Amino acid sequence: SQTIHQWPATLVQPVGSPLSLECTVEGTSNPNLYWYRQAAGRGLQLLFYSVGIGQISSEVPQNLSASRPQDRQFILSSKKLLLSDSGFYLCAFTGVDNSPLHFGNGTRLTVT
Amino acid sequence: SQQGEEDPQALSIQEGENATMNCSYKTSINNLQWYRQNSGRGLVHLILIRSNEREKHSGRLRVTLDTSKKSSSLLITASRAADTASYFCATFSITSGTYKYIFGTGTRLKVLA
Repeated sequence: SQTIHQWPATLVQPVGSPLSLECTVEGTSNPNLYWYRQAAGRGLQLLFYSVGIGQISSEVPQNLSASRPQDRQFILSSKKLLLSDSGFYLCAFTGVDNSPLHFGNGTRLTVT
Repeated sequence: SQQGEEDPQALSIQEGENATMNCSYKTSINNLQWYRQNSGRGLVHLILIRSNEREKHSGRLRVTLDTSKKSSSLLITASRAADTASYFCATFSITSGTYKYIFGTGTRLKVLA
């Protein structure tokens, strides 16, 4: 079966520190991968999506970047975190038939 | 912003009552989906309705879609305390070979036992 793993579940980082959030998918090949951010009590903002290895599309200019070094691995990074980067980060994927999104359990990032 | 709007933002009902949530969007779509999010967790897909469909049912869920008005509604019948969660609509569209899921702002539903 198709599964998605996202870690860590929670993270507290000081301003100016780097960030690396990882997401891996199992049970499917060549998934479309997505990073969303959710502010407290708000909807989801699409940050990045990828349709293949090394192919990254950015939706909103951010202090963030994404990479896809392997088919089923998606990484969200920052060189220097800002207070405004705090939020709930969700990774998601769809199979090759563009079925509904399957979400990871999210990472709660607090930048202090 | 491409983000859709949902109303109400929050809804509180008694167990056994029906809950209706509405979603409006801005662009042409291939399908529209509804998701549920329990507090602090990822979203879970509930139901999908294609752009050429007007109504769809799944268990206690009923979804309608009006593409002329760019709107959709989600009805949960005979609500239970366990239905307490946030509900989001998401539009799916294919534009210039890219696949996008754009989420609404969500409705926070509280079902009182």
